[in-house]
Formats: sequence, structure tokens, C-alpha cells
Amino acid sequence: GENVGLHLPTLSVQEGDNSIINCAYSNSASDYFIWYKQESGKGPQFIIDIRSNMDKRQGQRVTVLLNKTVKHLSLQIAATQPGDSAVYFCAENKGYGQNFVFGPGTRLSVLP
Amino acid sequence: GAVVSQHPSRVICKSGTSVKIECRSLDFQATTMFWYRQFPKQSLMLMATSNEGSKATYEQGVEKDKFLINHASLTLSTLTVTSAHPEDSSFYICSAWGAGSQETQYFGPGTRLLVL
Repeated sequence: GENVGLHLPTLSVQEGDNSIINCAYSNSASDYFIWYKQESGKGPQFIIDIRSNMDKRQGQRVTVLLNKTVKHLSLQIAATQPGDSAVYFCAENKGYGQNFVFGPGTRLSVLP
Repeated sequence: GAVVSQHPSRVICKSGTSVKIECRSLDFQATTMFWYRQFPKQSLMLMATSNEGSKATYEQGVEKDKFLINHASLTLSTLTVTSAHPEDSSFYICSAWGAGSQETQYFGPGTRLLVL
């Protein structure tokens, strides 16, 4: 569960296209996952969450997929907009009251 | 939804001085709060877990005497960076998870500390 974030991966997508951001989590005991969006100079903003008893959850324009077998999480953003440009972090949690462990983050750049 | 606030949002101080950062849960009680630190272009790293009415639990490598945490009430945790040095310059973010909120953590807006 260590964060190694010295080189932030970047995903560039055309406005209107769909985006897929991937995350590999570390702890098989984690049972709760959240995707956060962080804009420059701001704290993390909750996007969507999913518990380990589910493999898919949909929100407004966003979908999170969870594959527990390979410990993989993905965030799909439909019809990506300029306002979606930010750094996206996945975070895993082992239970209520516990801290979250953050992934290294992915920078999403939306091209006009 | 639940709201967590931090104050100040930005602080500049001279090397050797101490800085206090407040984290408040505005519409719910937070028995546990977490303090994270984020260096530029890096992810959030947990510094310590703040528990109301008891001592904070620090992560390995975080000096408890340098980063003093006080969680005296169910709505307030403070982080004091003592004798700050330029390498302490960072973005400090708190989060809260407690009774009254949904089962998730709510993050504060962060405090950017710059030590000259």
C-alpha cells in the first residue's frame, strides 16, 4: 500500500470522448474503494465509491469497475469535458473508521 | 453531505516558527480524523490518525514531537507544525469519518504551508 507518485501518469483525451483511468490496489483485505478528483491547489473531491460485494457501480457520467481477482479498479468517464481535467486518485480502505491508502494518481488532460 | 473545513487555507511562515492548522467537521461529529500530507505531484500520504480524547497514532517516519495533533472535541482536530523548516512546505489535508456522516471519509479543502 505504499504510494510511489514521483512520476504522475498522464492520460490525454479529446473532449467528448470517453476516459478510462486504471488503478491497481495493493491489499486483498480492502473492501471499500473510492475515486477522488483533485484539482490544482484543492483537496480531494469524492467522485464515486464501490464496496467489495459489487463489481460495477454507476453515477452521473462515471462508472467504477472492480475486479477483485486481479485487484484492479477503473474509472470510466463518459463524454469527457474540459472541467474533468484534474488528477484522479483511487483509494482503498479496510473498513469503517480506517484510513484510506491512495494510489499514485493519474492526470487527466482534456484536449479541445 | 458532510462538510469538513480547514483553516487557514494558506500560510507562509519563517523557518523556526510554529504553525497551527485547524480541521473542523461542520455538520457531524468526528470521532476519528486523519491528517495527510501531499508534496507536489505526489499522492496523499497518511501522517497520523487523530482520535478524540486520546493520543494520535503516527505513521512510521512521522515525528510526533514535530507534528503535534490535538483532538479535544468531536468537531475539531488541530495539527501544529513545530519549528517549521522549508522541507515541511507541503499541502496538508485532513479528513473525517464519524457518526452522522455517510460511511465514507470527507476531506477538507487543504492547507498549503510554505516555510521560508
